Amino acid sequence: AQTVTQSQPEMSVQEAETVTLSCTYDTSENNYYLFWYKQPPSRQMILVIRQEAYKQQNATENRFSVNFQKAAKSFSLKISDSQLGDTAMYFCAFGRAQGGSEKLVFGKGTKLTVNP
Amino acid sequence: DVKVTQSSRYLVKRTGEKVFLECVQDMDHENMFWYRQDPGLGLRLIYFSYDVKMKEKGDIPEGYSVSREKKERFSLILESASTNQTSMYLCASSTQWEGPRVETQYFGPGTRLLVL
Repeated sequence: AQTVTQSQPEMSVQEAETVTLSCTYDTSENNYYLFWYKQPPSRQMILVIRQEAYKQQNATENRFSVNFQKAAKSFSLKISDSQLGDTAMYFCAFGRAQGGSEKLVFGKGTKLTVNP
Repeated sequence: DVKVTQSSRYLVKRTGEKVFLECVQDMDHENMFWYRQDPGLGLRLIYFSYDVKMKEKGDIPEGYSVSREKKERFSLILESASTNQTSMYLCASSTQWEGPRVETQYFGPGTRLLVL
């Protein structure tokens, strides 16, 4: 069974600085997808960024980028120029690509606080 | 934009009551999911459905059942609520493609259930 580990339960960063959230996963699969989701306080969970394992290039979305190290089974999220609105729970998730409806396995989350 | 709505944001029930949590999505998605979110445990999959009247157990199905009579609606049922089912419940949906892909899941706002 796949597992996802987020080793940092809580982190804080000053506004405008850069922060990196860690995620490691365990799988014997070769074809899979990785996701970072964000859940702001009392608000809906939304997708931040996704990465397909067969793509070597790291995904980026504006201030958000990932460092995908397939051999090390590591998928960290870097947030540049942190903003107060980035304060949220961040969840890393793994999905095995085998066709049909795919379940996601989530990590336990990292609570990020951006301080003014 | 994908919209996933849940029938209640907050719900208070008594032990032994039958509880219905409803989820509706407006994007004609094939897949729908019910998760439970608890502090320090992340998201855990209760049940998912990949088609009308089809369902599969997730990681923690005990004490829960589901119903999917229409494509857009997925209900979670607590047959006899217990205090250990006090939690945040999240619904999600995703589209389904032929072949090995994992699509982004879109989440509802959540229902915070308190069982007294």
